[in-house]
Amino acid sequence: SQTIHQWPATLVQPVGSPLSLECTVEGTSNPNLYWYRQAAGRGLQLLFYSVGIGQISSEVPQNLSASRPQDRQFILSSKKLLLSDSGFYLCAWSLLAGELFFGEGSRLTVL
Amino acid sequence: LAKTTQPISMDSYEGQEVNITCSHNNIATNDYITWYQQFPSQGPRFIIQGYKTKVTNEVASLFIPADRKSSTLSLPRVSLSDTAVYYCLVGYSGAGSYQLTFGKGTKLSVIP
Repeated sequence: SQTIHQWPATLVQPVGSPLSLECTVEGTSNPNLYWYRQAAGRGLQLLFYSVGIGQISSEVPQNLSASRPQDRQFILSSKKLLLSDSGFYLCAWSLLAGELFFGEGSRLTVL
Repeated sequence: LAKTTQPISMDSYEGQEVNITCSHNNIATNDYITWYQQFPSQGPRFIIQGYKTKVTNEVASLFIPADRKSSTLSLPRVSLSDTAVYYCLVGYSGAGSYQLTFGKGTKLSVIP
């Protein structure tokens, strides 16, 4: 069966510090991968999606970036965090037809 | 991209049937309609998916009219544990269309 893991689960970072969130999928090949962000009390905002190794599409211009160095690995990064980057970050994968499978989420607080 | 519109919130008493409607007037031919449930501090969880007519599984039913411009998620006999945010997602992850964008969701509160 397919599983998705993301880490760390929680982190507190100072403004201006770097960020790296990692997500891995097991049990499937060539999945479409997604990063979403959810601000407190808000809906899900699509940040990036990837349809293959090295292929990244950005939905929202910001100081975040994403990379897919391996088929089932998706990384969200920032060189310098802003206060507005705080939120709940969710990685997800899909094969077809809009059925998304989400990881456990990573809660980021920027101080 | 098909934009979705849902009620912001709904209240229901335990044991009642709840129907949440989603409008998606510009749905594309390849798009599927998928509903998710999200509890606080968790990722959304798949509930049900359909393309047209009616789909039923062990937790919900999904009604889609012939024009597919709306859909209704039906939750039978809700309990307190069904208190959550419900999202309608319209899209298709494939063939050049991968932007699976969520709407604002409907916050369902189940009252004892």
